[in-house]
Amino acid sequence: DIQMTQSPASLSASVGDRVTITCRASQKISTYLHWYQQKQGKPPQLLIHSATSLQSGVPSRFSGSGSGTDFSLTISSLQPEDFATYFCQQSLSMPWTFGQGTEVEIK
Amino acid sequence: QVLLQESGPGLVKPSESLSLTCTVSGGSISPYYWNWIRQSPGKGLEWIGYIYYTGNTKYNPSLQSRLSLSLDTSTKQLSLSLNSVTAADTAVYYCARGDWRNFFDYWGLGTLVTVS
Repeated sequence: DIQMTQSPASLSASVGDRVTITCRASQKISTYLHWYQQKQGKPPQLLIHSATSLQSGVPSRFSGSGSGTDFSLTISSLQPEDFATYFCQQSLSMPWTFGQGTEVEIK
Repeated sequence: QVLLQESGPGLVKPSESLSLTCTVSGGSISPYYWNWIRQSPGKGLEWIGYIYYTGNTKYNPSLQSRLSLSLDTSTKQLSLSLNSVTAADTAVYYCARGDWRNFFDYWGLGTLVTVS
């Protein structure tokens, strides 16, 4: 299985901060990397697919970059509604696997 | 708007079978992959498997020997059956639509299944 490792596991930030979360795959996955946001008690919501493509309806402050093994999700100006847990997921090789999550907390 | 809704018993005894249904509304079954994903505090998010709209299935090897997925296109209902459950199968179970690159663009709200 392809292992997905996110860092950091958690971070504290203030409204307006620029935040970057990274995801590393244990082998190359091209751009088969997707990002989700999950709020407490809710299902994950797709933010970015194929490493860089913003899902319809997702604010433009979210962006993704990377290919191969190293990827990042950036929130350009953190908003109150962005405090949540973020997950990456690979879909190059079955079984599809997820990162362990990064919790973004209010400083 | 595509909506997915899981249903099934919230409590299952060890060694018995877990059966869940997911009803799709507001969208077409084709040409999508229909996935089951579970989430537990200990194991995070785990992809269980998918059934393509044609009926083709792919399972996570870790669950393959106990798992069966089916799809009724006339009622737009997916079904999951997991045999011989243990406490390790306790989780929130989600159904989710998979697009052509197997990212999940629509999710159900999830249903908590406790094995005890």
